[in-house]
Amino acid sequence: EPEVTQTPSHQVTQMGQEVILRCVPISNHLYFYWYRQILGQKVEFLVSFYNNEISEKSEIFDDQFSVERPDGSNFTLKIRSTKLEDSAMYFCASRPRTSGRYEQFFGPGTRLTVL
Amino acid sequence: AQSVTQLDSHVSVSEGTPVLLRCNYSSSYSPSLFWYVQHPNKGLQLLLKYTSAATLVKGINGFEAEFKKSETSFHLTKPSAHMSDAAEYFCVVSAAGGGADGLTFGKGTHLIIQP
Repeated sequence: EPEVTQTPSHQVTQMGQEVILRCVPISNHLYFYWYRQILGQKVEFLVSFYNNEISEKSEIFDDQFSVERPDGSNFTLKIRSTKLEDSAMYFCASRPRTSGRYEQFFGPGTRLTVL
Repeated sequence: AQSVTQLDSHVSVSEGTPVLLRCNYSSSYSPSLFWYVQHPNKGLQLLLKYTSAATLVKGINGFEAEFKKSETSFHLTKPSAHMSDAAEYFCVVSAAGGGADGLTFGKGTHLIIQP
């Protein structure tokens, strides 16, 4: 069964450094998402991406964040200058159609630790 | 705007006894509702979904949930708990129009299974 994959599984970085989190969505899906989960807190929506542009973003998704689909398979989240509070689990998700009635399929997550 | 309230942060049951995880939602539109499960150090897995068809929804691993519009609830149940059910459970809402809207998660309920 097709799955969303994410790399790396764990990323450790120094404050102020740039990180790129990578995702490979399920191949025939149309919408792509990033979420984050700070330890002990709920999963929060960051951004959605459709037709090679951002469709919606939350207040969390400020100028330090960017997303890109550089080729036909990868979907990346870049954090330009990491802060301690960016430490979290980051989940990528994808969805097959334009209707909200279809669930999102989540990857296993990347745990980002900012020191 | 939409929101989800999971009424219990922790639920502890004995193996073989029924499970009830409570969820109330708020949505301006006719919502789609989901339950996701997260096992330790794993990603988010869809348990079941409500998408305006039958109000009693059956999912994987013997779980089911009933959509009650009058009570704005979508409680998750299982007749007999198994040790492998120990995990974090998230009630999730999506706007009916869908589009690119991100999912809104509840804070999660940690299910503990006593032997």
